[in-house]
Amino acid sequence: ETGVTQTPRHLVMGMTNKKSLKCEQHLGHNAMYWYKQSAKKPLELMFVYSLEERVENNSVPSRFSPECPNSSHLFLHLHTLQPEDSALYLCASSQDQGGGQPQHFGDGTRLSIL
Amino acid sequence: EDQVTQSPEALRLQEGESSSLNCSYTVSGLRGLFWYRQDPGKGPEFLFTLYSAGEEKEKERLKATLTKKESFLHITAPKPEDSATYLCAVQQGAQKLVFGQGTRLTINP
Repeated sequence: ETGVTQTPRHLVMGMTNKKSLKCEQHLGHNAMYWYKQSAKKPLELMFVYSLEERVENNSVPSRFSPECPNSSHLFLHLHTLQPEDSALYLCASSQDQGGGQPQHFGDGTRLSIL
Repeated sequence: EDQVTQSPEALRLQEGESSSLNCSYTVSGLRGLFWYRQDPGKGPEFLFTLYSAGEEKEKERLKATLTKKESFLHITAPKPEDSATYLCAVQQGAQKLVFGQGTRLTINP
Protein backbone atom coordinates (compact mmCIF):
# COMPACT_ATOMS: atom_id res chain seq x y z
CA GLU A 1 0.00 0.00 0.00
CA THR A 2 1.41 3.38 -1.00
CA GLY A 3 0.99 6.72 0.76
CA VAL A 4 -0.81 8.06 -2.31
CA THR A 5 -4.30 6.69 -3.01
CA GLN A 6 -6.11 7.13 -6.31
CA THR A 7 -9.77 6.41 -7.08
CA PRO A 8 -11.28 4.96 -9.12
CA ARG A 9 -8.69 2.40 -10.29
CA HIS A 10 -10.52 1.89 -13.57
CA LEU A 11 -12.90 4.18 -15.47
CA VAL A 12 -14.73 3.71 -18.76
CA MET A 13 -16.54 6.72 -20.12
CA GLY A 14 -18.10 8.02 -23.30
CA MET A 15 -16.80 11.10 -25.03
CA THR A 16 -19.68 13.23 -23.78
CA ASN A 17 -19.50 12.19 -20.12
CA LYS A 18 -18.15 14.21 -17.21
CA LYS A 19 -16.17 12.41 -14.53
CA SER A 20 -13.53 13.18 -11.90
CA LEU A 21 -10.40 11.40 -10.75
CA LYS A 22 -9.42 11.69 -7.10
CA CYS A 23 -6.03 11.54 -5.39
CA GLU A 24 -5.24 11.66 -1.67
CA GLN A 25 -1.78 11.67 -0.10
CA HIS A 26 -0.99 10.66 3.48
CA LEU A 27 2.70 11.64 3.45
CA GLY A 28 2.47 15.23 4.69
CA HIS A 29 3.79 16.57 1.38
CA ASN A 30 3.10 20.07 0.06
CA ALA A 31 3.25 19.46 -3.71
CA MET A 32 1.03 17.27 -5.90
CA TYR A 33 1.18 16.26 -9.56
CA TRP A 34 -0.86 14.72 -12.37
CA TYR A 35 0.90 12.61 -15.01
CA LYS A 36 -0.34 10.80 -18.11
CA GLN A 37 1.21 7.45 -19.05
CA SER A 38 0.45 6.10 -22.53
CA ALA A 39 1.77 2.91 -24.05
CA LYS A 40 5.28 3.21 -25.49
CA LYS A 41 5.64 6.83 -24.31
CA PRO A 42 7.44 8.37 -21.33
CA LEU A 43 5.40 9.73 -18.44
CA GLU A 44 4.09 13.17 -19.34
CA LEU A 45 3.68 15.81 -16.66
CA MET A 46 0.27 17.50 -16.85
CA PHE A 47 -0.12 19.72 -13.78
CA VAL A 48 1.83 20.71 -10.68
CA TYR A 49 0.42 22.18 -7.49
CA SER A 50 2.70 23.54 -4.78
CA LEU A 51 1.15 24.78 -1.53
CA GLU A 52 -2.26 24.43 -3.26
CA GLU A 53 -1.27 26.83 -6.03
CA ARG A 54 -0.95 25.68 -9.64
CA VAL A 55 2.63 26.27 -10.72
CA GLU A 56 2.76 24.25 -13.94
CA ASN A 57 0.26 23.61 -16.71
CA ASN A 58 2.10 21.65 -19.35
CA SER A 59 0.04 22.67 -22.41
CA VAL A 60 -2.80 20.38 -21.41
CA PRO A 61 -6.13 20.69 -23.30
CA SER A 62 -8.90 22.47 -21.42
CA ARG A 63 -11.00 19.29 -21.33
CA PHE A 64 -8.76 18.38 -18.35
CA SER A 65 -9.37 20.62 -15.35
CA PRO A 66 -7.39 20.14 -12.10
CA GLU A 67 -8.46 21.15 -8.62
CA CYS A 68 -6.42 21.17 -5.41
CA PRO A 69 -8.63 22.10 -2.42
CA ASN A 70 -5.88 21.40 0.15
CA SER A 71 -2.38 19.94 0.29
CA SER A 72 -3.68 16.37 0.75
CA HIS A 73 -6.24 16.18 -2.06
CA LEU A 74 -6.06 16.58 -5.82
CA PHE A 75 -8.75 16.11 -8.44
CA LEU A 76 -8.75 15.90 -12.22
CA HIS A 77 -12.09 16.81 -13.75
CA LEU A 78 -12.72 15.32 -17.19
CA HIS A 79 -15.21 16.39 -19.85
CA THR A 80 -15.69 15.83 -23.56
CA LEU A 81 -12.63 13.57 -23.80
CA GLN A 82 -11.22 12.08 -27.00
CA PRO A 83 -10.20 8.46 -27.68
CA GLU A 84 -6.52 9.47 -27.56
CA ASP A 85 -7.04 10.43 -23.92
CA SER A 86 -7.26 6.74 -22.99
CA ALA A 87 -4.25 6.16 -20.72
CA LEU A 88 -3.09 5.55 -17.17
CA TYR A 89 -3.37 8.74 -15.11
CA LEU A 90 -0.94 8.89 -12.22
CA CYS A 91 -0.95 11.18 -9.21
CA ALA A 92 2.23 11.92 -7.25
CA SER A 93 3.27 13.99 -4.27
CA SER A 94 6.54 15.35 -2.89
CA GLN A 95 7.95 17.71 -0.33
CA ASP A 96 8.70 20.86 -2.32
CA GLN A 97 11.95 22.29 -0.99
CA GLY A 98 13.22 23.89 -4.17
CA GLY A 99 14.24 20.67 -5.84
CA GLY A 100 15.88 17.31 -5.25
CA GLN A 101 13.06 15.59 -3.40
CA PRO A 102 11.61 12.37 -4.87
CA GLN A 103 8.02 12.16 -6.00
CA HIS A 104 5.89 9.31 -4.68
CA PHE A 105 3.23 7.88 -6.96
CA GLY A 106 -0.17 6.29 -6.57
CA ASP A 107 -1.19 3.23 -8.59
CA GLY A 108 -3.13 5.29 -11.12
CA THR A 109 -6.54 5.35 -12.76
CA ARG A 110 -6.80 3.35 -15.99
CA LEU A 111 -9.06 5.47 -18.21
CA SER A 112 -10.75 4.14 -21.33
CA ILE A 113 -12.71 6.44 -23.65
CA LEU A 114 -15.33 4.75 -25.80
CA GLU B 1 15.71 21.00 -24.24
CA ASP B 2 16.16 18.50 -21.43
CA GLN B 3 16.18 14.88 -22.61
CA VAL B 4 16.42 11.44 -21.05
CA THR B 5 17.17 8.31 -23.10
CA GLN B 6 17.16 4.82 -21.62
CA SER B 7 18.72 1.71 -23.11
CA PRO B 8 18.09 -1.01 -23.85
CA GLU B 9 14.33 -0.79 -24.36
CA ALA B 10 13.98 -4.39 -23.15
CA LEU B 11 16.38 -6.82 -21.51
CA ARG B 12 15.95 -10.51 -20.79
CA LEU B 13 18.36 -12.21 -18.36
CA GLN B 14 18.71 -15.56 -16.68
CA GLU B 15 18.46 -15.66 -12.90
CA GLY B 16 21.88 -14.80 -11.47
CA GLU B 17 23.10 -13.10 -14.67
CA SER B 18 24.30 -9.58 -13.74
CA SER B 19 23.87 -6.63 -16.11
CA SER B 20 23.42 -2.85 -16.30
CA LEU B 21 20.74 -0.47 -17.53
CA ASN B 22 21.72 2.89 -18.98
CA CYS B 23 20.15 6.34 -18.65
CA SER B 24 21.70 9.13 -20.73
CA TYR B 25 20.58 12.68 -20.04
CA THR B 26 21.02 16.28 -21.05
CA VAL B 27 19.79 18.86 -18.56
CA SER B 28 20.80 22.38 -17.65
CA GLY B 29 21.50 22.37 -13.93
CA LEU B 30 20.86 18.87 -12.61
CA ARG B 31 18.94 18.99 -9.33
CA GLY B 32 18.56 15.24 -9.08
CA LEU B 33 18.42 12.03 -11.09
CA PHE B 34 15.81 9.52 -9.95
CA TRP B 35 15.36 5.81 -10.54
CA TYR B 36 11.96 4.16 -10.21
CA ARG B 37 10.65 0.62 -10.58
CA GLN B 38 7.19 0.04 -12.09
CA ASP B 39 5.32 -3.25 -11.94
CA PRO B 40 2.38 -3.97 -14.29
CA GLY B 41 -0.82 -2.27 -13.08
CA LYS B 42 1.06 -0.23 -10.46
CA GLY B 43 2.51 3.24 -10.16
CA PRO B 44 6.26 3.89 -10.18
CA GLU B 45 8.02 2.99 -6.92
CA PHE B 46 10.90 5.24 -5.88
CA LEU B 47 14.32 3.57 -5.68
CA PHE B 48 17.15 6.14 -5.61
CA THR B 49 18.08 9.79 -5.95
CA LEU B 50 21.54 10.79 -7.20
CA TYR B 51 22.64 14.41 -6.99
CA SER B 52 26.20 14.72 -8.29
CA ALA B 53 28.71 12.95 -10.54
CA GLY B 54 30.54 10.17 -8.72
CA GLU B 55 27.70 9.44 -6.34
CA GLU B 56 26.55 5.82 -5.83
CA LYS B 57 23.55 4.35 -4.02
CA GLU B 58 22.78 0.69 -3.24
CA LYS B 59 19.69 -1.27 -2.30
CA GLU B 60 19.77 -5.07 -2.14
CA ARG B 61 20.83 -6.28 -5.63
CA LEU B 62 20.63 -2.80 -7.19
CA LYS B 63 23.35 -0.16 -7.41
CA ALA B 64 22.92 3.20 -9.13
CA THR B 65 25.84 5.34 -10.30
CA LEU B 66 26.02 8.80 -11.85
CA THR B 67 28.38 10.63 -14.22
CA LYS B 68 27.95 14.05 -15.83
CA LYS B 69 26.17 12.53 -18.82
CA GLU B 70 24.64 9.24 -17.75
CA SER B 71 23.53 6.99 -14.94
CA PHE B 72 23.73 3.23 -14.68
CA LEU B 73 21.54 0.86 -12.72
CA HIS B 74 23.60 -2.25 -12.03
CA ILE B 75 21.72 -5.43 -11.16
CA THR B 76 23.81 -8.11 -9.45
CA ALA B 77 22.67 -11.75 -9.42
CA PRO B 78 19.04 -10.84 -10.23
CA LYS B 79 16.04 -12.89 -9.19
CA PRO B 80 12.71 -13.30 -11.02
CA GLU B 81 11.10 -10.81 -8.59
CA ASP B 82 13.40 -8.11 -10.01
CA SER B 83 11.41 -8.29 -13.26
CA ALA B 84 9.80 -4.86 -13.83
CA THR B 85 10.12 -1.72 -15.92
CA TYR B 86 12.84 0.59 -14.61
CA LEU B 87 12.36 4.31 -15.15
CA CYS B 88 14.92 7.10 -15.01
CA ALA B 89 14.02 10.77 -14.57
CA VAL B 90 15.91 14.06 -14.20
CA GLN B 91 14.64 17.05 -12.32
CA GLN B 92 14.15 20.24 -14.30
CA GLY B 93 13.46 23.23 -12.12
CA ALA B 94 11.94 22.95 -8.66
CA GLN B 95 9.31 20.32 -9.36
CA LYS B 96 9.29 19.08 -12.95
CA LEU B 97 10.59 15.58 -13.70
CA VAL B 98 11.51 14.55 -17.25
CA PHE B 99 11.22 10.77 -17.66
CA GLY B 100 12.86 8.33 -20.05
CA GLN B 101 10.78 5.70 -21.80
CA GLY B 102 11.97 2.94 -19.45
CA THR B 103 13.72 -0.43 -19.69
CA ARG B 104 11.55 -3.53 -19.41
CA LEU B 105 13.58 -6.12 -17.51
CA THR B 106 12.65 -9.81 -17.46
CA ILE B 107 14.51 -12.32 -15.27
CA ASN B 108 13.94 -15.95 -16.23
CA PRO B 109 14.24 -18.63 -13.49
